[in-house]
Amino acid sequence: QKEVEQNSGPLSVPEGAIASLNCTYSDRVSQSFFWYRQYSGKSPELIMSIYSNGDKEDGRFTAQLNKASQYVSLLIRDSQPSDSATYLCAVSPSNTGKLIFGQGTTLQVKP
Amino acid sequence: DAEITQSPRHKITETGRQVTLACHQTWNHNNMFWYRQDLGHGLRLIHYSYGVQDTNKGEVSDGYSVSRSNTEDLPLTLESAASSQTSVYFCASSDQAGGEGTQYFGPGTRLLVL
Repeated sequence: QKEVEQNSGPLSVPEGAIASLNCTYSDRVSQSFFWYRQYSGKSPELIMSIYSNGDKEDGRFTAQLNKASQYVSLLIRDSQPSDSATYLCAVSPSNTGKLIFGQGTTLQVKP
Repeated sequence: DAEITQSPRHKITETGRQVTLACHQTWNHNNMFWYRQDLGHGLRLIHYSYGVQDTNKGEVSDGYSVSRSNTEDLPLTLESAASSQTSVYFCASSDQAGGEGTQYFGPGTRLLVL
């Protein structure tokens, strides 16, 4: 079992819809969770970080964390074509500063 | 503005040659990381450093080495390049203050080993 798992997609949603991206992780002591966005040919850029159970909202983005289920998700409301990218889930084991990445989910937002 | 840069951005080399990829950050971050990204594998950690003179192996360290002589730089060396090391390489840095571990990535280096 991979340490961080994501569905590679592609996930296709119409413009204006909600995109839901999911990630599961295997290490129960993980403390920090991150969502990065990566456009084709570019480097990953941080979208959201979340450390506590529950929801964290930032503009059109909401990160959700459930440590009991070892599950973290990213919701993108009012999806735009410019949101089309690969979304990488990353998990940081306790006090290591390292990140373990999932394979990424490719999102396509169709006009 | 503070930033993280990588050079070269593109590199073609031959099997068996030694190659060094540069990474330079101006954030004064203690932590620096090297990843490779390949289709089907996502980002995989090669080496990382928590400070000057500190280096650690990641999950795919065979054939790679790093050294940390100052805060700003973490060069990655491929001792004897192999075709399997054709990849996109990303450098990242973070400040562990507060234990949050947010990493910021450089623009990447595309390496082709023929």
